[in-house]
Amino acid sequence: AQRVTQPEKLLSVFKGAPVELKCNYSYSGSPELFWYVQYSRQRLQLLLRHISRESIKGFTADLNKGETSFHLKKPFAQEEDSAMYYCANTGGSYIPTFGRGTSLIVHP
Amino acid sequence: DGGITQSPKYLFRKEGQNVTLSCEQNLNHDAMYWYRQDPGQGLRLIYYSQIVNDFQKGDIAEGYSVSREKKESFPLTVTSAQKNPTAFYLCASSAYREQPQHFGDGTRLSIL
Repeated sequence: AQRVTQPEKLLSVFKGAPVELKCNYSYSGSPELFWYVQYSRQRLQLLLRHISRESIKGFTADLNKGETSFHLKKPFAQEEDSAMYYCANTGGSYIPTFGRGTSLIVHP
Repeated sequence: DGGITQSPKYLFRKEGQNVTLSCEQNLNHDAMYWYRQDPGQGLRLIYYSQIVNDFQKGDIAEGYSVSREKKESFPLTVTSAQKNPTAFYLCASSAYREQPQHFGDGTRLSIL
């Protein structure tokens, strides 16, 4: 079975500090990886996907097939980045596998 | 305004009662999903449907049932067999294979 691992339940940083939210996946085929974000009192929404190779709200994520990772990074965290972040792998099916999520808190 | 609508926002269930959570989408998506979200456990898949009149069990289907009679609608029934139904339930849809999911606002179910 596929697995998506987000090792940190909680990540706490100060404003302006770099942030990296870790995501590792297990899948023998070609992964389809996504990061979703849930801000307080808002619905879960797509942040970015690996095939787009774009930066959204200053966040980037690079697929590393050798390390089976898809870590989410931002060089300078902002208070408005505080949210719950989920990594997901669709992996060639309709059925995404989600990680358990990482709560990011950015302190002023 | 396109999107997914879940209702009600809050729902209370009595012992031995079945309750139904509504999920409607106007995105013309083929695939729809139901997830359960518990603190610290992420999103766990209950049921999914790839096309009308077809659905499959997810990881935690016991005590739940669904139907998919229309493309737009994918209601979830929490039956009395579900012994721990208190949770936040999320409905999602996607256009087709490997496309990102769109989520509703969720329904919070509690036991009276």
